[in-house]
Amino acid sequence: DSGVTQTPKHLITATGQRVTLRCSPRSGDLSVYWYQQSLDQGLQFLIQYYNGEERAKGNILERFSAQQFPDLHSELNLSSLELGDSALYFCASSVDSGRAPDTQYFGPGTRLTVL
Amino acid sequence: AQKITQTQPGMFVQEKEAVTLDCTYDTSDQSYGLFWYKQPSSGEMIFLIYQGSYDEQNATEGRYSLNFQKARKSANLVISASQLGDSAMYFCAMTPEGTGGFKTIFGAGTRLFVKA
Repeated sequence: DSGVTQTPKHLITATGQRVTLRCSPRSGDLSVYWYQQSLDQGLQFLIQYYNGEERAKGNILERFSAQQFPDLHSELNLSSLELGDSALYFCASSVDSGRAPDTQYFGPGTRLTVL
Repeated sequence: AQKITQTQPGMFVQEKEAVTLDCTYDTSDQSYGLFWYKQPSSGEMIFLIYQGSYDEQNATEGRYSLNFQKARKSANLVISASQLGDSAMYFCAMTPEGTGGFKTIFGAGTRLFVKA
């Protein structure tokens, strides 16, 4: 158990819908990362939050948004869903000390299926 | 551009034998960290081992060791005494130091099959 929790574990929805994925980082970790893993794209970085602030954006679509709350949990919102959004979405957390590269600890993932 | 290459899409190993999973990387940074993760069929990504670019000793964690050859830019994962539960996808990753985890890049992965 990495200490990172994600809910829900599975999500099945229809095209055009909106869903929210939730993540709670490990105790003490200030950074939260969101990744998308699909069969043909591998692991893609979406966005990072550090202590409530957006730090970096990767290949995140405009239909997707995220936020990190004062208690450091984070939510990833996916809207106007398309079939191609079906994937495994991971949240990871790290201390992010800014010195030595931090280990990112991953949650169990949310498997999203868009029908 | 930084890149991670895992040249073995799939590998078979006999139970109780050792296996080496290859990882080469390309970076112009002098300081960086190298990671290996395991992803079993259940889907979660499990951190296995870390090697810093300035670490002189190869990292070890139980049955996992990282064969780090800086000049060759390789960071191979060695699993000793393979177990059936080691069957999984394995990802090599690299993070440049001081830039934050958002610059972490992952390889395409190697699927390991352990035979009984």
